[in-house]
Amino acid sequence: NAGVTQTPKFQVLKTGQSMTLQCAQDMNHNSMYWYRQDPGMGLRLIYYSASEGTTDKGEVPNGYNVSRLNKREFSLRLESAAPSQTSVYFCASSDYRDPNTEAFFGQGTRLTVV
Amino acid sequence: QKEVEQNSGPLSVPEGAIASLNCTYSDRVSQSFFWYRQYSGKSPELIMSIYSNGDKEDGRFTAQLNKASQYVSLLIRDSQPSDSATYLCAVNPMIYNQGGKLIFGQGTELSVKP
Repeated sequence: NAGVTQTPKFQVLKTGQSMTLQCAQDMNHNSMYWYRQDPGMGLRLIYYSASEGTTDKGEVPNGYNVSRLNKREFSLRLESAAPSQTSVYFCASSDYRDPNTEAFFGQGTRLTVV
Repeated sequence: QKEVEQNSGPLSVPEGAIASLNCTYSDRVSQSFFWYRQYSGKSPELIMSIYSNGDKEDGRFTAQLNKASQYVSLLIRDSQPSDSATYLCAVNPMIYNQGGKLIFGQGTELSVKP
């Protein structure tokens, strides 16, 4: 099983450029998440989608937009990249209907904005 | 106040000792609690989940939950150098079957010295 797949794995952007991070899961999960991870900050929630058709802001949504394209796919868009958005981005999914659910993570996207 | 707080460490223990990792959370309605391990440059992976007050044991790992004190801990017995990683506490404040968001602490870096 592929699990959660993120693309790309690495990306360098110039300030002001835009890009979309792609995420797809094949576990039939309802909930999907985007996190960013900076040194010493743990994982901070950017946006999440509890189910297909819904999205909600997390802790650090400014400068980002998301689209829950269908049950499998959840994309994160940076409209005008800034150096402060240099980070490692993780997509995750879970099935909130299962009380023993865990979140499964993609391999991460290392983004550098110069 | 951050919703989930951990001591950032680093926590250093000798091989064979017990490592104790602590986490507090602010949302009293939180229902699900998780400990993830993250090796450098890798994605987080689930170690333990706990939902009820008390202890839950799995091999060398024991998770402890005290909802009254809003406190979760992870004990690692007989610590091994391979346990050296960052440990992330995560809390899901969801009401069962209504979805929710997974919030992480900043992580505690554990170093096990041979």
